[in-house]
Amino acid sequence: DSGVTQTPKHLITATGQRVTLRCSPRSGDLSVYWYQQSLDQGLQFLIQYYNGEERAKGNILERFSAQQFPDLHSELNLSSLELGDSALYFCASSPGDSYGYTFGSGTRLTVV
Amino acid sequence: GESVGLHLPTLSVQEGDNSIINCAYSNSASDYFIWYKQESGKGPQFIIDIRSNMDKRQGQRVTVLLNKTVKHLSLQIAATQPGDSAVYFCAEKEGGADGLTFGKGTHLIIQP
Repeated sequence: DSGVTQTPKHLITATGQRVTLRCSPRSGDLSVYWYQQSLDQGLQFLIQYYNGEERAKGNILERFSAQQFPDLHSELNLSSLELGDSALYFCASSPGDSYGYTFGSGTRLTVV
Repeated sequence: GESVGLHLPTLSVQEGDNSIINCAYSNSASDYFIWYKQESGKGPQFIIDIRSNMDKRQGQRVTVLLNKTVKHLSLQIAATQPGDSAVYFCAEKEGGADGLTFGKGTHLIIQP
């Protein structure tokens, strides 16, 4: 157990739908990062939050959004889902915003 | 890091032998590098990291070497064990806030 908790572990949904993925960081970590892992793109950085505020953006689609709450947990919202959004979505946390990343076990999203 | 692709390089070694996994990175401004191990169905697991002011760092059974001149990173695993079978990723980061850039993974297979 890495200390980073992601729910749900598996999610199956239809095209056009909206889903929310949840991440609880390790105790004491202020930063949360979201990554997408697909077969053709590998691990891609999506977005980072630090202590409740957006810190950095990567290859995140406009249909996707995220937020970090006062208790530091984070949610990744994926809307207007397409078949190509099927992937593993990982959350990672770190104490600050530069080092010491720890990954969760991921949410496997399948869009049918 | 290297561009990510569908086909992972594979390294097959005999149990008990040493393994060397290589990674080329592209951003000469990257100052922090991490090796991750990912087993099937799990999230990336931190192995070892190194900052750009070092060229070698050792952990338990693992050593990371950094050659900034040729932008090359390697992971050496001593006396490989069946539990070392996994996909290994290098990741790089330029200082400040942002996510990690992951390289193409290498699938390490341990032969009995």
